[in-house]
Formats: sequence, C-alpha cells, structure tokens
Amino acid sequence: EVQVVESGGGLVQPGGSLRLSCAVSGFTFSTYWMSWVRQAPGKGLEWVANIKEDGSEKYYVDSVKGRFTISRDNAKNSLYLQMNSLRAEDTAIYYCARLWGGYCNNTNCHGFVYFDNWGQGTLVTVSS
Amino acid sequence: DIQMTQSPSSLSASLGDRVTITCRASQSISNYLNWYQQKPGRAPKVLIYAASSLQSGVPSRFSGSGFGTDFTLTVSSLQPEDFATYYCQQAYSAPLTFGGGTKVEIK
Repeated sequence: EVQVVESGGGLVQPGGSLRLSCAVSGFTFSTYWMSWVRQAPGKGLEWVANIKEDGSEKYYVDSVKGRFTISRDNAKNSLYLQMNSLRAEDTAIYYCARLWGGYCNNTNCHGFVYFDNWGQGTLVTVSS
Repeated sequence: DIQMTQSPSSLSASLGDRVTITCRASQSISNYLNWYQQKPGRAPKVLIYAASSLQSGVPSRFSGSGFGTDFTLTVSSLQPEDFATYYCQQAYSAPLTFGGGTKVEIK
C-alpha cells in the first residue's frame, strides 16, 4: 500500500524559514518524479515544485523561485521542501504528491501527467 | 501559463441526479486534462486522466469528455459520497495549473 506522510508545518513569522518533509513507502520512490502542491485556506490547488527521480532537475512555480528548494533523499525515501523568506501568501496546506505518467520541465510536459498519490498535507501558517 | 476556468463554482443537487461540471482551458490542450475530487479535510484524489480515462478504482458513474479547450466531468447518478469539490487540471504544458474548483452540495 502506498503511503505518503508530510511533516514539518507550523507557524512562522514573515521572512522566516521552514523545512517540510515527506516520507514515502509502498513504491519504489527513486523511480518517480515527485511534486509539492499547495492549497491556501478555502482556496484552490496550486502546483509548487517538481523534482526528477535522481534529483538532477527541479522546477518551480514563479512565485516561489529563489525562495523555495525542493530536494530528495532516495536512500531515505524522503522528499523535502526548504522554504525561505516566507510571506503571508505562502500560508497553505502543502501536499506531497507522486507524479504519474510522465514529467514536466520548465515549459513542456511529456506524457499524460497527473498526481496519483497524495499525502494528507501539512499546514504552514505565515503570520506575525 | 494556461488558465483553467470551471463552471459553475458551486451547485446543489439531489441524490440520483445527473451532474455535469465544465472546465475550459485558455488555449488548446488536446486531451491533457485531469479531474480530481476533494472532500473536506482530505487530499485530492484523481478520478479521470487524459480527459476520459477512468482511474483504477473509481466508480463508473464518473465520466469525462472533451478535447481542445472544453471539457466536462459527469456524474451519472449522484451518490452520498460524491458531495465534494471537483478540480480540473491541465497537463499540456508547464506550469501545471488547476481550475478554481466546483463544490457539489446537497439540495
């Protein structure tokens, strides 16, 4: 059974940092692209970042470029999101999700890509 | 970026009703369109991928159609567990983008 479990959320002041973790089991983690998707309270879904199977390619939504860093440790079956210079508009539930069917780089997607396994999410609140 | 627009933003329906939700892309996306269901306090769950392919384990009362810019998700006979918010998502180009959601409520 696939399991995806996020952790690391919490309350942080504007300008602060937070590191989210995602522990995965039930599938061969090192063979899949992985993503972070977020959802502001009462709002819709927004893709945040993707990372290639071996970590060699990383892509971000424009609003977090230069502030967030996605990474992974395949030996630990874990995905991470380092969030720096946090802003109030980063307040959201952050979901870790497996990317199925292909991948997307900076401009193009290859294959019929969708998020097929999600964690329960971890809430990040940026407020003073 | 490709903008995805869903309509309606909410609807009220009764058990057994046939429900249709529409999603429009700001440019042609062929059939690179996915549908998700999200219940309160839960993560989204994929229902349909590639516009009309049913994800494994999803009941056959869910169906998707469309090509180019206009897509629909249909629930043929609404069940109690179908009251939720539904999102479309394009997978034609980066960044991956979602529609604003359609909340299906009990009439």
